[in-house]
Amino acid sequence: EPEVTQTPSHQVTQMGQEVILRCVPISNHLYFYWYRQILGQKVEFLVSFYNNEISEKSEIFDDQFSVERPDGSNFTLKIRSTKLEDSAMYFCASSEALQGGVHNEQFFGPGTRLTVL
Amino acid sequence: GDSVTQMEGPVTLSEEAFLTINCTYTATGYPSLFWYVQYPGEGLQLLLKATKADDKGSNKGFEATYRKETTSFHLEKGSVQVSDSAVYFCAPVSGGYNKLIFGAGTRLAVHP
Repeated sequence: EPEVTQTPSHQVTQMGQEVILRCVPISNHLYFYWYRQILGQKVEFLVSFYNNEISEKSEIFDDQFSVERPDGSNFTLKIRSTKLEDSAMYFCASSEALQGGVHNEQFFGPGTRLTVL
Repeated sequence: GDSVTQMEGPVTLSEEAFLTINCTYTATGYPSLFWYVQYPGEGLQLLLKATKADDKGSNKGFEATYRKETTSFHLEKGSVQVSDSAVYFCAPVSGGYNKLIFGAGTRLAVHP
């Protein structure tokens, strides 16, 4: 069964450093997402990506964040200068195109735990 | 904006007990509704979904019915097992690009 994969599973970085979190969505999916979950809190939407551009982003997704689909298979989230409060589990998700206006389920990767020291 | 209110946990039950986790939402239009489950140490998995009013989603003995009139999507299971211990998230879709709005999550602990 196809699945979303994410690497690394755990990333430890120093405050102020840049990190890149990587995701490989399911191959025929067209919509891509990043969410994050701070320990013990709810899952929060960061950004959605469709047709090679950001389609929607949340208030959390400020200028320190960027996303890219560099080669047609990978989907990356970059945090330019990490802060302590960026420590969280980051989930990548993908979904098929809308069908007749019905929203399809999103398939989530296992997550990358980011720890900023 | 769109939001989800989910029953606060933790919910602690004995095996074979009946489970209800309440979920209500505010959203524009008639969004598809999802329940996701997060088992300890794992990512998010879709548990069930409903795409229009009065639809009933079901999977692994869990059920939820899309109630447009009360904007609710309560999760139920007639007889829980220890293996159902997890965190359950109610999540309607919001907006044209399919983003999910997650509730706070309800932790379920089932004891033998």
